[in-house]
Amino acid sequence: DAGVIQSPRHEVTEMGQEVTLRCKPISGHNSLFWYRQTMMRGLELLIYFNNNVPIDDSGMPEDRFSAKMPNASFSTLKIQPSEPRDSAVYFCASSSGYSGNTIYFGEGSWLTVV
Amino acid sequence: GENVEQHPSTLSVQEGDSAVIKCTYSDSASNYFPWYKQELGKGPQLIIDIRSNVGEKKDQRIAVTLNKTAKHFSLHITETQPEDSAVYFCAARSPGGTSYGKLTFGQGTILTVHP
Repeated sequence: DAGVIQSPRHEVTEMGQEVTLRCKPISGHNSLFWYRQTMMRGLELLIYFNNNVPIDDSGMPEDRFSAKMPNASFSTLKIQPSEPRDSAVYFCASSSGYSGNTIYFGEGSWLTVV
Repeated sequence: GENVEQHPSTLSVQEGDSAVIKCTYSDSASNYFPWYKQELGKGPQLIIDIRSNVGEKKDQRIAVTLNKTAKHFSLHITETQPEDSAVYFCAARSPGGTSYGKLTFGQGTILTVHP
């Protein structure tokens, strides 16, 4: 299996620009998660989808962040406009079902906003 | 919501020694406790997990113990090797409601194994 695939792996952008991060979950997985990792706050859950429907978006920091999952094999996390404090590693992860099944992480998208 | 505390934040051991990382959680309803290893530049990878109906689980040099009464769980690595050097995260999952399936992570432990 190819695993969770994220793109881009690295992104450097200027403050105010729109950033779109992309994720392809593992085929057959019906749960998808977006996490953000920073030194100060560790791993934070931003949003959780199940069967393409957002179930919990309480971790989305503010309205500048939005996420979509138009189908079972693709999700995006968008930041508009981006700010320097958004600099972090963004991980997409997927799992099958609800019940304690293993969550598999992608390699992450390293975002730097200057 | 769930809160997970992890200690120590850094751990340095000599090759061949054992390493122990401890976590506590707040929600007594949490029922699934995975441990992840994250190497530099990579995403977290599951190394072992335990469910609330089990007290201990082993996988070669790695073991996890769970004390539900005290609400803490620990990762034990025996005969450490330099390739065990990484950041280790514990996590706890609370069932029910909109947090179903949501993992709360500890802050991580940087393990360094010296040859």
